[in-house]
Amino acid sequence: DSGVTQTPKHLITATGQRVTLRCSPRSGDLSVYWYQQSLDQGLQFLIQYYNGEERAKGNILERFSAQQFPDLHSELNLSSLELGDSALYFCASSVEEEQYFGPGTRLTVT
Amino acid sequence: QQQVKQSPQSLIVQKGGISIINCAYENTAFDYFPWYQQFPGKGPALLIAIRPDVSEKKEGRFTISFNKSAKQFSLHIMDSQPGDSATYFCAASKVQAGTALIFGKGTTLSVSS
Repeated sequence: DSGVTQTPKHLITATGQRVTLRCSPRSGDLSVYWYQQSLDQGLQFLIQYYNGEERAKGNILERFSAQQFPDLHSELNLSSLELGDSALYFCASSVEEEQYFGPGTRLTVT
Repeated sequence: QQQVKQSPQSLIVQKGGISIINCAYENTAFDYFPWYQQFPGKGPALLIAIRPDVSEKKEGRFTISFNKSAKQFSLHIMDSQPGDSATYFCAASKVQAGTALIFGKGTTLSVSS
């Protein structure tokens, strides 16, 4: 158990819909990262927050957004969902360079 | 542009054998190189990591070898066990507060008993 929690574990929704994925980092970790894992693209960095501020952006679509709240939990919002958005979404947290991953949310868009 | 290239894509090793997975990176600014282990349905778990100021790091049966001039690093799993069967990812990043990991495509290891 990494200490990082993610909810929900599974999510099934239809194209065009909007969903919110939630992540609680390890106690004391200020950085939260979001990654997408798909069969064809592998593990890809989406976005990072540090103590409530956006720190870095990766291959995140404009339809996706995230935020980190004062209690340091983070939410990833995915809108206008397409079939190709079906993937595993992981968050990770860190205090320095070591990143610890949560169990992931499996999103299926039908 | 793939910044971290990992090989092989899959690997079958007999119990007790040595598993070797290789990675090559392009960006010389990278200075942190972790390996992650992932079981089906689980998140990646940090296994071992190395910084470029050392050429080798060993933790139990797992060893990272690092060749800075060749921009390559590898994971060696000694005395491989069926419980080691998983997907292994190498990654690279720049050490500063909050730098994203760039992952290789992964290697699926099967250890036969």
